[in-house]
Amino acid sequence: NAGVTQTPKFRILKIGQSMTLQCTQDMNHNYMYWYRQDPGMGLKLIYYSVGAGITDKGEVPNGYNVSRSTTEDFPLRLELAAPSQTSVYFCASSGSSGSEETQYFGPGTRLLVL
Amino acid sequence: AQSVTQPDIHITVSEGASLELRCNYSYGATPYLFWYVQSPGQGLQLLLKYFSGDTLVQGIKGFEAEFKRSQSSFNLRKPSVHWSDAAEYFCAVGLTGGGNKLTFGTGTQLKVEL
Repeated sequence: NAGVTQTPKFRILKIGQSMTLQCTQDMNHNYMYWYRQDPGMGLKLIYYSVGAGITDKGEVPNGYNVSRSTTEDFPLRLELAAPSQTSVYFCASSGSSGSEETQYFGPGTRLLVL
Repeated sequence: AQSVTQPDIHITVSEGASLELRCNYSYGATPYLFWYVQSPGQGLQLLLKYFSGDTLVQGIKGFEAEFKRSQSSFNLRKPSVHWSDAAEYFCAVGLTGGGNKLTFGTGTQLKVEL
């Protein structure tokens, strides 16, 4: 199993451009998450999904959109990139909603908006 | 709302010395607690977790953590640190019910001197 994979690893965007961060998991997990990590800060939840076709906002959803058409994929869309979205983005998945459930993380996408 | 505090931003220890990383949480109910490790350029990996039972939990790589309800703490320990333990460590608390969302602390950067 590859686990959770993310592409691209690194991207530079100009202000106002759009892009999609890809996330795929091969563990047949129902739950998937997007976090951002800023320097000196913990991870903040952007969006999450409890299954195909179902998504919900996390703590910092503004400026982002998500969709979940399959169990495996959970892309994150930035429509109008802003410097405040410069960050490292992590995708994660878990097998259920149980609070004890382990989340498995991808290697991250480093995004720089200039 | 729940919160997690990691009071030490940076810690430096000598190889072979013991280690304790502090984590305090604020949460109204019984917490589900996690320690994750992030090596440079990598995603987060679960070290250990607590959700019930024995308050001393063992994890991977020789780490352990003790849940102390009276102190609202979940400190991470290792008797003898190896140079490969240099990384950033995150404490997190999970919500009961509702999608297994995690709240992370700001992290502790561990440096190991040879």
